[in-house]
This record gives sequence, structure tokens and C-alpha cells, in this order.
Amino acid sequence: EVQLVESGGGLIRPGGSLGLSCAASGFSVSSNFMTWVRQSPGKGLEWVSSIYSAGRAFYADSVKGRFTLSRDNSKNTVYLQMNSLRVEDTAVYYCARGFYDSSGNPFFKYWGQGTLVTVSS
Amino acid sequence: QSVLIQTPSESGTPGQTVNISCSGSTSNIGSNAVSWYQQLPGTAPKVLMQSNNQRPSGVPDRFSGSQSGTSASLAIGGLQSEDEAVYYCATWDDSLNGWVFGGGTKLTVL
Repeated sequence: EVQLVESGGGLIRPGGSLGLSCAASGFSVSSNFMTWVRQSPGKGLEWVSSIYSAGRAFYADSVKGRFTLSRDNSKNTVYLQMNSLRVEDTAVYYCARGFYDSSGNPFFKYWGQGTLVTVSS
Repeated sequence: QSVLIQTPSESGTPGQTVNISCSGSTSNIGSNAVSWYQQLPGTAPKVLMQSNNQRPSGVPDRFSGSQSGTSASLAIGGLQSEDEAVYYCATWDDSLNGWVFGGGTKLTVL
């Protein structure tokens, strides 16, 4: 059974740093593309970052240079290191496993339950 | 303002068919497949449609998807009260080099 469990959320002051983890089970993070999507309170979904099987990571412009996505294959876990946090980074952060269907088109097949990050003074 | 444009809200009565639209551009919907996600209140999103019009296993055939040019749409037939949720479209954008989501459409079953 595929499971994604996020952790590491909490309250942090503006300018601070926080690291999120997404522990995966039932599949290997190294052979799939993994993604973080966030949702600010009462707002829609916003893509944050994705890391692909070859190891290349992509970032939304809003977090580029501040967030770093990485993975530890031995722990089957992906990490989102968030630095220079801003009030507008406040959101529930979801980890999602990407999947390619039979046509080779990607989509987000599995989602974790999310972890709340609150940036406030 | 989201890159993919969705109508903020739609409504329908039980049994009706509702269409939810998603408008983009040549760099996203015009070039890449669209997926749709359903988010029930207080829960994580769940994939409803992949590759424009393919239903993952377990998704009822009341749900159907289509794509034409730079627009996509999700149709929900035989509307049921449990369909009340927010629906999002998503795809890759070749110009932004990243994923883009629609702003979401809140569906109300009257």
C-alpha cells in the first residue's frame, strides 16, 4: 500500500528556516517523481517543487533560491528545506507522488495528508 | 491570478450534469495533458482524471474529461450530494518549467 507521511510543520518567525519530510512506503522515491504542493488558508493549490528520478529538481518562482528539494533513497524520504520564510509561505504543504500513465503523461496519483506551516511573528 | 483559469463556482441539482472549465495557453494545456483533482472539505486532493480524459480505477464513469486546444473541461453527470467539493485542473507549463494549477471551482449541489 502506498503511503506518504509528511512531518516537520510548525510555527516559525519570518526569516526563519524549517525542514519538511515526506516518508514514503509502498514504492521507491528514487524511481518516481515527487512533488510538494501547498495550500494557503482558504486558497487554492499551488505547486512548489518537484524532483525527478534523475535527481533534477524544479521550483516555483515564488520559492526559487529559498527552498531546496532533496531525497534520501536509503530512507525513502524526500525533504523540503525552506529558508528565508515569509508570511505568505503560510500553508498546508502536501507531498505527492507523481506517476506516468500508459500514454506517458504525468499526474499526481498519491497525496499525503499535509503538514501545516505557519510563518508569523 | 492562476495561470489556468477556472470559474470560481458552479452549482447544480441532484441528477443534473455540470461542466467545469479550465482555460490555459499553448505552453500548458495546448502542449501537455491535463489532470483533474477533487478536494473534499478538510481533506487532501484526490486525482479524478488523468491524461485529459482517463479515469483512474475507482472513479465513477459519471466523471468525464475532455481537452480541445488550450482548454479542458470536466463533466460530472448524475450529480450527487457527495460531489460537493472543490475541483482543480493541473498541467505542466513549458514556458514556466513547472506545474500550474487552476484556481479551483467550488461545486455546490443544491
